Amino acid sequence: SQWGEENLQALSIQEGEDVTMNCSYKTYTTVVHWYRQDSGRGPALIILIRSNEREKRSGRLRATLDTSSQSSSLSITAAQCEDTAVYFCATNNNAGAKLTFGGGTRLTVRP
Amino acid sequence: GPKVLQIPSHQIIDMGQMVTLNCDPVSNHLYFYWYKQILGQQMEFLVNFYNGKVMEKSKLFKDQFSVERPDGSYFTLKIQPTALEDSAVYFCASSQTGFQDTQYFGPGTRLLVL
Repeated sequence: SQWGEENLQALSIQEGEDVTMNCSYKTYTTVVHWYRQDSGRGPALIILIRSNEREKRSGRLRATLDTSSQSSSLSITAAQCEDTAVYFCATNNNAGAKLTFGGGTRLTVRP
Repeated sequence: GPKVLQIPSHQIIDMGQMVTLNCDPVSNHLYFYWYKQILGQQMEFLVNFYNGKVMEKSKLFKDQFSVERPDGSYFTLKIQPTALEDSAVYFCASSQTGFQDTQYFGPGTRLLVL
């Protein structure tokens, strides 16, 4: 789980495995953004899930959102080496503009 | 996809000097942001900017910080004077609207204050 953690967490898996990263947030939000950050680059949005979508899929990615427990998850099916990156969840404040990021998970997929 | 550019990619300066970080946002975007990331730590919001004004800023956005976007040119973050704790990677982002819209990030400027 990456919320409330100021430092990066690390996960290492074998290619072909499935992996789930969790995120718990503290303040009310109606949308959770999942970003991926490759080394030396800025974050890039990979999935955005809203409160009226308990689950959202994009290719091998699946995000869930449970507003009652204020948590979200990102799953990657059959991970590949190119999935190696840092993954962040982020939420918007009530005004909607500012993003508040979790500490992030550094995922390493070994060949 | 839409690209945000940042100049320079790296900057090393002496404490007390002024530094300006430049951002070229996505062309039709109206909202602009700066975030700060210290190595190994989470990304933290500094400020957002719309229609020539600061809309919201965090505690990290000290009095020594300022932002502007003169005449639709670069969106800039100026730090004057710099302090050691300003060493970090600064990311610029932009979005078309301000409400829960996708923010597109630049590659970051790595600032080292000596």
